[in-house]
Amino acid sequence: GAVVSQHPSWVICKSGTSVKIECRSLDFQATTMFWYRQFPKQSLMLMATSNEGSKATYEQGVEKDKFLINHASLTLSTLTVTSAHPEDSSFYICSAVISGRAGKTQYFGPGTRLLVL
Amino acid sequence: AQSVTQLGSHVSVSEGALVLLRCNYSSSVPPYLFWYVQYPNQGLQLLLKYTSAATLVKGINGFEAEFKKSETSFHLTKPSAHMSDAAEYFCAVSDGGSSASKIIFGSGTRLSIRP
Repeated sequence: GAVVSQHPSWVICKSGTSVKIECRSLDFQATTMFWYRQFPKQSLMLMATSNEGSKATYEQGVEKDKFLINHASLTLSTLTVTSAHPEDSSFYICSAVISGRAGKTQYFGPGTRLLVL
Repeated sequence: AQSVTQLGSHVSVSEGALVLLRCNYSSSVPPYLFWYVQYPNQGLQLLLKYTSAATLVKGINGFEAEFKKSETSFHLTKPSAHMSDAAEYFCAVSDGGSSASKIIFGSGTRLSIRP
């Protein structure tokens, strides 16, 4: 079964509004989660690293004030796209690092498709 | 810094033919390498990963990849293509030499299967 879930799976919003995307690790604790963005017909690009209980680390060129990340618990990280604009329309995918008997493994969520009108 | 280069943005093969998707890596540390598959409008599914154990890695759906340090390659193969293999494939490397580090993705290769 799925290890990481995302909610919502898709969202359409008006330009200027804020959208929150949740990433949950199911039945496992994840101290580290990653947020990626994928534009149509392109590869995934890392946006930020989310660590439980501390500030997220953003990749170069990613606006931290526009893409707010909160990792408030060991099973939940949220990405809020503030004042969304059409150019923010993309596929957002999170991943969670989960420790198990085989060591640490990164599991990806199913993605959230955002369309800003 | 770690990086991967996928040769060929689009590969087309006939059903039943050999599938070969090429990937070369660059890494300053022993690399952790991955192949992921993405079906249309879906998330990523891990096909296989190399973590410095056996150089020939077997994955799901009949795919395998061979790590060749001398060639800095990690090509993905499948002996006989199936129509259901049509998808986007991403080669990736872990930035930091572990499965817990952020992953750097290649540009992707779209695999098409001809009947």
